[in-house]
Amino acid sequence: GIQVEQSPPDLILQEGANSTLRCNFSDSVNNLQWFHQNPWGQLINLFYIPSGTKQNGRLSATTVATERYSLLYISSSQTTDSGVYFCAVGGGTNAGKSTFGDGTTLTVKP
Amino acid sequence: GAGVSQTPSNKVTEKGKYVELRCDPISGHTALYWYRQSLGQGPEFLIYFQGTGAADDSGLPNDRFFAVRPEGSVSTLKIQRTERGDSAVYLCASSLTPGTRRYNEQFFGPGTRLTVL
Repeated sequence: GIQVEQSPPDLILQEGANSTLRCNFSDSVNNLQWFHQNPWGQLINLFYIPSGTKQNGRLSATTVATERYSLLYISSSQTTDSGVYFCAVGGGTNAGKSTFGDGTTLTVKP
Repeated sequence: GAGVSQTPSNKVTEKGKYVELRCDPISGHTALYWYRQSLGQGPEFLIYFQGTGAADDSGLPNDRFFAVRPEGSVSTLKIQRTERGDSAVYLCASSLTPGTRRYNEQFFGPGTRLTVL
């Protein structure tokens, strides 16, 4: 099956700083999503981005499908951005299932 | 409903008991997924339904785990003879019908935290 690696595993920032989270995957995909898991465990959809670039406020994401990676950019970070960020990919014959990485734990300090 | 709902939010049981976890998907979503998340890890796929049928159950760890979706809406994940290693958060997600734009964009419920003592 598809392998998903996220880096870095942990990231500590001061409020206002920018960051880049990376997701590498081992095979072609037809589905890639970025999620933020809040302290209560809820997975919040950030981006559906199997290819291309999208922006939503202070967050943006880019997926280069041919090179099998995706990047999530967080600008002017706030304490409320803290939590775990997951990349999930799906594709091939098992289009229904998604494979998650182990996440990046982001801590934003005031 | 507005989002995916799961009940109960927490379930504590004893080793060897039977448990049922329920998922109510977003109205109009024909695809439904179950995942399991252990502490410090990403969710792991268990099973995927398209309508009433299980399209992919390759993630079910063993035959103690079973899931149904008899009317193509609500789904129940059933775990027999629970073991301490089954303790985890069980997450449910739903998505639109294949062929629809962004059909495989998944939306998750809040999860059921299962603790097996």
